[in-house]
Amino acid sequence: AQSVTQLDSQVPVFEEAPVELRCNYSSSVSVYLFWYVQYPNQGLQLLLKYLSGSTLVKGINGFEAEFNKSQTSFHLRKPSVHISDTAEYFCAVSDQEDDKIIFGKGTRLHILP
Amino acid sequence: DAGITQSPRHKVTETGTPVTLRCHQTENHRYMYWYRQDPGHGLRLIHYSYGVKDTDKGEVSDGYSVSRSKTEDFLLTLESATSSQTSVYFCAISESISGTLGNEQFFGPGTRLTVL
Repeated sequence: AQSVTQLDSQVPVFEEAPVELRCNYSSSVSVYLFWYVQYPNQGLQLLLKYLSGSTLVKGINGFEAEFNKSQTSFHLRKPSVHISDTAEYFCAVSDQEDDKIIFGKGTRLHILP
Repeated sequence: DAGITQSPRHKVTETGTPVTLRCHQTENHRYMYWYRQDPGHGLRLIHYSYGVKDTDKGEVSDGYSVSRSKTEDFLLTLESATSSQTSVYFCAISESISGTLGNEQFFGPGTRLTVL
């Protein structure tokens, strides 16, 4: 069975500082990995996804994530955050044999002025 | 943006009453999903559909039923609402579960349901 662990429920970071949001997964087969963002009072939007190929995936708004199969991780990074990045971020996993996605519990990113 | 609407957007109801939430898509996607979002739990799958009249349970399906009589509509029904079903409900759609799209899902704006 698949599962996703987001290691931090909240991450405070100063504006213009770099940030990393951690995600670990477990799955017995080849995986698809996703990061979604949810701004206050909105639905979820896809930030980026890993299906296959290059392990470094670039997404919208300057975010990127690296798929590390040996460590079963898919951490999200941004070199310099802005106030507008204040949101909740969800890591998710799926695979080619399943029609469902499993979501992590989310990480709230707080940008400090 | 993917064409997904949810109705109603907000609803307050009383314990024991039936409630139906509607998800409507204009993308002709095969897969449709209902999630609930609660603090500390992230998104949890209630039910999903992989085609017209084809549905299956998710991890928190007790107390909920669904129907999909047309590709574009997916209804979630709470037969007898309880206070534990107070939540924000999201609908999502997906065109494919593999290939170049993987299982990328597109989300609706959500319905905030309060059961008193």
